[in-house]
Amino acid sequence: EVQLVQSGAEVKKPGESLKISCRGSGYNFPTYWIGWVRQMPGKGLEWLGIIYPGDPDIRYSPSFRGQVTISADKSFNTAYLQWGSLKASDTAFYYCAAGYGDYPTHFDYWGQGTLVVVSS
Amino acid sequence: SSELTQDPAVSVALGQTVRITCQGDRLRTYYATWYQQKAGQAPVLVFYGKNSRPSGIPDRFSGSSSGNTASLTITGAQAEDEADYYCDSRDTSGNPPVFGGGTKLTVL
Repeated sequence: EVQLVQSGAEVKKPGESLKISCRGSGYNFPTYWIGWVRQMPGKGLEWLGIIYPGDPDIRYSPSFRGQVTISADKSFNTAYLQWGSLKASDTAFYYCAAGYGDYPTHFDYWGQGTLVVVSS
Repeated sequence: SSELTQDPAVSVALGQTVRITCQGDRLRTYYATWYQQKAGQAPVLVFYGKNSRPSGIPDRFSGSSSGNTASLTITGAQAEDEADYYCDSRDTSGNPPVFGGGTKLTVL
């Protein structure tokens, strides 16, 4: 069974750093793209970026380039999303998702989501 | 603003048919992908490509495309179909996909 398990909820202060994770199991991790999606409170879904762990090939959505860092460690079947300096506006649910192909036209599998709260 | 445009809200009577649409220039070149998100849950893939439905998704969900508009049709909507529906599609320059703004479906 394919599973994506994300790390637990985080409460941080503005200016702090954070790295959340997404561990895949039940499939060949390096050969599936992992995408990260943000959902701010009461709002829609937004792609932050995607990574192909096998290379790695990393692509950021223009709106998020420079705001977050996406990485992966195929030795641990885990992808990461990190911030160097959090802002209150980073408060959101963050989902990871896995998709196959030369370019991920669709994402079959999703993590359960990680809630990040940034508040002073 | 999103490059893919969806109606914010749509309603359908129980058992009737509803079409949820997604408009954008990139849809002239690429197919849309559709995700369902129920309250408090992660998104779920419900339709993609020309005519593909993941295993476990009821066949009352279907997709179509014409020009710059993609549609997700639910034939015989059920109470459990009440959710937010998002389209997305690939980017022409290899960037990550882009979501539409989402459509909230209410089943009356």
